[in-house]
Amino acid sequence: SQTIHQWPATLVQPVGSPLSLECTVEGTSNPNLYWYRQAAGRGLQLLFYSVGIGQISSEVPQNLSASRPQDRQFILSSKKLLLSDSGFYLCAWSALPQAEKLFFGSGTQLSVL
Amino acid sequence: KQEVTQIPAALSVPEGENLVLNCSFTDSAIYNLQWFRQDPGKGLTSLLLIQSSQREQTSGRLNASLDKSSGRSTLYIAASQPGDSATYLCAVRPAGGSEKLVFGKGTKLTVNP
Repeated sequence: SQTIHQWPATLVQPVGSPLSLECTVEGTSNPNLYWYRQAAGRGLQLLFYSVGIGQISSEVPQNLSASRPQDRQFILSSKKLLLSDSGFYLCAWSALPQAEKLFFGSGTQLSVL
Repeated sequence: KQEVTQIPAALSVPEGENLVLNCSFTDSAIYNLQWFRQDPGKGLTSLLLIQSSQREQTSGRLNASLDKSSGRSTLYIAASQPGDSATYLCAVRPAGGSEKLVFGKGTKLTVNP
């Protein structure tokens, strides 16, 4: 069966520090991978998605970047965090084609102070 | 621009009651619609996925319906239990193969024993 791992579960970082969140999927090949952010009182916002190694699409221009160095690994990064980067970050995957369900990781609660 | 609305934002019911959660979307050109459950501080769990050609899907005590022409979906929960307490979100995938699901802000359900 397929599983998705996301870490860390919580993170407290000072403004201006770097960020690296990692997500890995097991039990499937060539998944579509996604990073979402959920801010308090707001809906889920798609940040990045990837349909293959090295292929990244950005939905919202911002202080963050994403990379997919391996088929089942998706990394969310920032060189310098802003206060507004605080939120609940969720990694997700789906199988091709797009008609499939979306499966989420357990999330990372990021607090930038 | 597709927008998804969920009303009410919060709902409190006694245990055993049958209930309906509502989801509306502004653009009927959708590929599919998913209902998710989110427990506090956790990721999202996919409950039901309805393709645009389908009218409803059932899983256990859950039944989701879709009326694409009117831009509405409902999630029916039978014989509610305290364990059903969570936030329920709906999301639509626009037609045309878009990777970007559009989420509602969710309905927070509390089932009181």
